[in-house]
Amino acid sequence: KAGVTQTPRYLIKTRGQQVTLSCSPISGHRSVSWYQQTPGQGLQFLFEYFSETQRNKGNFPGRFSGRQFSNSRSEMNVSTLELGDSALYLCASSLGGSRGGTGELFFGEGSRLTVL
Amino acid sequence: ILNVEQSPQSLHVQEGDSTNFTCSFPSSNFYALHWYRWETAKSPEALFVMTLNGDEKKKGRISATLNTKEGYSYLYIKGSQPEDSATYLCAFNNAGNMLTFGGGTRLMVKP
Repeated sequence: KAGVTQTPRYLIKTRGQQVTLSCSPISGHRSVSWYQQTPGQGLQFLFEYFSETQRNKGNFPGRFSGRQFSNSRSEMNVSTLELGDSALYLCASSLGGSRGGTGELFFGEGSRLTVL
Repeated sequence: ILNVEQSPQSLHVQEGDSTNFTCSFPSSNFYALHWYRWETAKSPEALFVMTLNGDEKKKGRISATLNTKEGYSYLYIKGSQPEDSATYLCAFNNAGNMLTFGGGTRLMVKP
């Protein structure tokens, strides 16, 4: 069974640009969530999608957005990049459902974004 | 903002030592408590998902306990091995579908 796949794995952007990251969940998983990790910080929740609907959103500015497609694949977009957006962005999938919090998350290897 | 704290932040032990670390979380609106292990250059992997007060779970040499009334969970590793070196993360779910992670405990086991 294929795991969670994130692309690209590494990318370098400059301030003001935008970036799109992609996540393909485990087959059959309908929930996809995104997390940001910066040096010295724990994993910070960005948002969670289930069946193409955003169910939860973390405390990030509107420059951070996402979406989920009918095949459960998800993308997140960051516009007008700032130096502080340099981070490891992790995607995780789970079966989800109304009691999704009891299901373990399966993480991808992450996309490491560097903003210059 | 939910406060999930882990202690200690880092820990060095000798091979064969047993060790434990703590995750504290809000005691209200508890839904689930997750533990993950994150090795360098890999993805975080789930160890346990705990939902019931007093629950104890075990996987090999690793076990965890849960006290939802006082808001803490302990992770124990018996007879630590170098391959146990990793960051151990706990995450709290308060009846939503959003996990709040602690800062992690970084464990280093010396051979």
